Amino acid sequence: QKEVEQNSGPLSVPEGAIASLNCTYSDRGSQSFFWYRQYSGKSPELIMFIYSNGDKEDGRFTAQLNKASQYVSLLIRDSQPSDSATYLCAVRQQGGATNKLIFGTGTLLAVQP
Amino acid sequence: EPEVTQTPSHQVTQMGQEVILRCVPISNHLYFYWYRQILGQKVEFLVSFYNNEISEKSEIFDDQFSVERPDGSNFTLKIRSTKLEDSAMYFCASRGEVEQFFGPGTRLTVL
Repeated sequence: QKEVEQNSGPLSVPEGAIASLNCTYSDRGSQSFFWYRQYSGKSPELIMFIYSNGDKEDGRFTAQLNKASQYVSLLIRDSQPSDSATYLCAVRQQGGATNKLIFGTGTLLAVQP
Repeated sequence: EPEVTQTPSHQVTQMGQEVILRCVPISNHLYFYWYRQILGQKVEFLVSFYNNEISEKSEIFDDQFSVERPDGSNFTLKIRSTKLEDSAMYFCASRGEVEQFFGPGTRLTVL
């Protein structure tokens, strides 16, 4: 069973701090890695994706990928209360034309004002 | 900015009834998906659709489920005879080159 694992949290950080969210995956053949934000009762909203080892930055967000360790993370700089949500890690697996996503259970982030 | 839309936002039905959930994907996308999320659980893949046919389906997507693209814009998920355990949020997604964008979801409640 191909799995994506996340700590469910909650991860509590003060406003202005860096929030670090982590994800591990079991399928070594996974190709692309996505971070979604999901507010309670809402749909997943794409933040960013990464497919090469290293860091990728987009505004206050940085995704980090280490394929050897099968580990992907999301850093949120200058965290704001509006960042409080569940962050979903999703993995696209190798092979097939469908590019379906396998999701983790998500990490609940709480940014304290 | 283009977005995926879904109707209805909330559907309440009796066990054993048929429901049809509707989605309008982003217009130039070619790959379409249905996912579901039972309350408090992870988002789960149901089915993918490309070139007017199913390209992959999960174990959840049994004979009670079907998908269709009846015209150039709509993409539907039909559940023939709903069960209590079908109660969930159902999300439609469409994909361009890489990213999958999700619609707002339909909350299905089976009584």
